[in-house]
Amino acid sequence: GAGVSQTPSNKVTEKGKYVELRCDPISGHTALYWYRQSLGQGPEFLIYFQGTGAADDSGLPNDRFFAVRPEGSVSTLKIQRTERGDSAVYLCASSRRDSRDTGELFFGEGSRLTVL
Amino acid sequence: AQSVSQHNHHVILSEAASLELGCNYSYGGTVNLFWYVQYPGQHLQLLLKYFSGDPLVKGIKGFEAEFIKSKFSFNLRKPSVQWSDTAEYFCAVNAYGNNRLAFGKGNQVVVIP
Repeated sequence: GAGVSQTPSNKVTEKGKYVELRCDPISGHTALYWYRQSLGQGPEFLIYFQGTGAADDSGLPNDRFFAVRPEGSVSTLKIQRTERGDSAVYLCASSRRDSRDTGELFFGEGSRLTVL
Repeated sequence: AQSVSQHNHHVILSEAASLELGCNYSYGGTVNLFWYVQYPGQHLQLLLKYFSGDPLVKGIKGFEAEFIKSKFSFNLRKPSVQWSDTAEYFCAVNAYGNNRLAFGKGNQVVVIP
């Protein structure tokens, strides 16, 4: 597709449940990022992939959060034992990260997670 | 770690008024600076960026920003706003060579026709 695609756009779940959020980056973009945006805040960095590997996962808040990108394209953010504080919009972004890189991140529309 | 401060979270102004949004960052080394915009119902998109060179950067839709290294600032300006500029504006910074962008809390700008 032309842009970064995220599914689902909305997810409502109960406390303690497991959630998966999917991101399909722009074709050819090797770098992929996950951010979390809580109400009234700016996006907060979670994790960065270069290709298949997590190059920087220092923003993941705890071990309930995990992300994969097994084939270097689509990524899945996984949240175990969800808590009400996990409610936020989860944003995915991609970029070129090669010699033609302009430093610009291309964002998806986000997945809004609500934990009841 | 770098941090970004944006003040005056909510800004309301009339069409044709001038807009200036402040952005200050805390990091002593070389930085890359960005302004992103989120129009209602749309995704975040790049407005303009500064990597090096002329500290006055021009972006899309008549926006510009000035990097003042001594003040650790990267303020966004537009001389005459339009109703279509109603959006949330985020300043962001990353340290040179670092992949993680740090965002400010954003400025919600409402332009009244």
